[in-house]
Amino acid sequence: ETGVTQTPRHLVMGMTNKKSLKCEQHLGHNAMYWYKQSAKKPLELMFVYNFKEQTENNSVPSRFSPECPNSSHLFLHLHTLQPEDSALYLCASSQGAGGELFFGEGSRLTVL
Amino acid sequence: RKEVEQDPGPFNVPEGATVAFNCTYSNSASQSFFWYRQDCRKEPKLLMSVYSSGNEDGRFTAQLNRASQYISLLIRDSKLSDSATYLCVVNGGGGADGLTFGKGTHLIIQP
Repeated sequence: ETGVTQTPRHLVMGMTNKKSLKCEQHLGHNAMYWYKQSAKKPLELMFVYNFKEQTENNSVPSRFSPECPNSSHLFLHLHTLQPEDSALYLCASSQGAGGELFFGEGSRLTVL
Repeated sequence: RKEVEQDPGPFNVPEGATVAFNCTYSNSASQSFFWYRQDCRKEPKLLMSVYSSGNEDGRFTAQLNRASQYISLLIRDSKLSDSATYLCVVNGGGGADGLTFGKGTHLIIQP
């Protein structure tokens, strides 16, 4: 059983669709993150939430909208995405911000 | 200038050999350093933290050189199961909450 669970694992969507990625952590951590992993690029930090408050938005386009209703759940709402947004989206959590990250298995997104 | 730089490889190494790779970072205020391992189509997992005094965990040794701003990872007696991508990770420093990842070094252990 993984400590960080992401759904869906795979998602294909058109540019006009609206979808959401979900992340849940069962580790009692205070911080949660969204990272983007594209081919041939390093993991890119997108958003950081610490005690449900967004502490970092790494210049992410507004077509990505995060939501953190509590310390255990994190969502990434997607709308009017572009094909270049196709990537693996990884959720992670840590006990404190900047500490060891525990990743989910990722949601592989394809935008047509 | 890239924040965290690694040689992407691949490093093709025979089983049982010793392999080492480095990573350089640009932010001199960085305080925390890690090596993560990522298997093909899997999520990254912490391999080891890197301490100022250097640290060893079994066949793995990590070193930090603050003056030259690089960290290293040494793997001795390499196993087939060591084949993976090794990600160098640095805390941004200056109050930034997220960790900054390198592109990773791809290691292939050959029988």
